[in-house]
Amino acid sequence: EAEVAQSPRYKITEKSQAVAFWCDPISGHATLYWYRQILGQGPELLVQFQDESVVDDSQLPKDRFSAERLKGVDSTLKIQPAELGDSAMYLCASSLQDSGNTIYFGEGSWLTVV
Amino acid sequence: DAKTTQPPSMDCAEGRAANLPCNHSTISGNEYVYWYRQIHSQGPQYIIHGLKNNETNEMASLIITEDRKSSTLILPHATLRDTAVYYCIVKGSNYKLTFGKGTLLTVNP
Repeated sequence: EAEVAQSPRYKITEKSQAVAFWCDPISGHATLYWYRQILGQGPELLVQFQDESVVDDSQLPKDRFSAERLKGVDSTLKIQPAELGDSAMYLCASSLQDSGNTIYFGEGSWLTVV
Repeated sequence: DAKTTQPPSMDCAEGRAANLPCNHSTISGNEYVYWYRQIHSQGPQYIIHGLKNNETNEMASLIITEDRKSSTLILPHATLRDTAVYYCIVKGSNYKLTFGKGTLLTVNP
């Protein structure tokens, strides 16, 4: 069964350093999402791509977060500089283009900022 | 997207059916009901979804009321591995999922 691949699985970084997460969606999935999940809460959408275009980044803290999907396939989420409050799990998900299609999640990348 | 209301926690005995309720009284006609679960430290796992009719797959059954204002996820024979947070989500035409706090289901031996 095809899966959404994410790396790294775990990352510890110091405050003010840069950190990046990578995601490879299921083949053929045009829509890609990045979510953030703080411990004890449900996932929150950060950014949504349709192919290479951003369709929703209203919840992305743009002063320090950036996301790209240059060729409309894999994607990178970057945080610079990292802050203590960024400690969370970062989830990537993907789906086919239609709104009735299921969204599938990766295993997530755990970030600890010290 | 319509909001959902779920109980914060539920218990179930191993081997028994687990029935997880969800209220979505403001759901629109073209919005789907999705269920995901999340086992500790893992990404959300898709379980099942439906629009109007009841649905069944290898994992669970989804019962949607005729007025579509509520639904129930049924795990027919719960096991210890079904202990997780279960999210009921109404998904609209904007392609995205908005998660609430979900229901922590604890399956007891």
